[in-house]
Amino acid sequence: DAGVTQSPTHLIKTRGQQVTLRCSPISGHKSVSWYQQVLGQGPQFIFQYYEKEERGRGNFPDRFSARQFPNYSSELNVNALLLGDSALYLCASSLVADTQYFGPGTRLTVL
Amino acid sequence: AQSVTQPDIHITVSEGASLELRCNYSYGATPYLFWYVQSPGQGLQLLLKYFSGDTLVQGIKGFEAEFKRSQSSFNLRKPSVHWSDAAEYFCAVVPITSGTYKYIFGTGTRLKVLA
Repeated sequence: DAGVTQSPTHLIKTRGQQVTLRCSPISGHKSVSWYQQVLGQGPQFIFQYYEKEERGRGNFPDRFSARQFPNYSSELNVNALLLGDSALYLCASSLVADTQYFGPGTRLTVL
Repeated sequence: AQSVTQPDIHITVSEGASLELRCNYSYGATPYLFWYVQSPGQGLQLLLKYFSGDTLVQGIKGFEAEFKRSQSSFNLRKPSVHWSDAAEYFCAVVPITSGTYKYIFGTGTRLKVLA
């Protein structure tokens, strides 16, 4: 069975640009969560969606937004990129959001 | 506020030795508890989880963890470490509130295995 997939694998942007990251959950999973993992730290919760509705938001600025589509895939958008946004962005899927299965992540570098 | 503490940033063990990674959490009630492993440049793989019931839980790759309510701890153990266990290990808690299962991760413990 296919696991959580994320695209792209790596991304390089410059300050001020906008970026869109994509996630496809495990088949049958209706919940998607997004996390930011800065080098040397644990993942930090950004968003959670269930059945296309936002169920939770972490302590991130409004430059971060997300949405979930009818097929349960999801996009994370980050506007006005800052150097500090450089991180590994992880997507996790779950049936009901209690046990989350993580994708390989998208490595974002902001120059 | 809820928090997770992994006191050991780095741990080095010899192959074949036993391993214990510590995790303590701060939360008023019993949360859901998880251990994940992350290899360099990779996502997180679920090792095991605790929701309720038996406080000793078995996971994949020969790992187990014990929940101790009195100590607010959920330590990960393995009786004999293999070189392939070298990775970073994260403890996570999920406070049981309505609607959102927000994972709170510790800062991780990097395991090095000596041949």
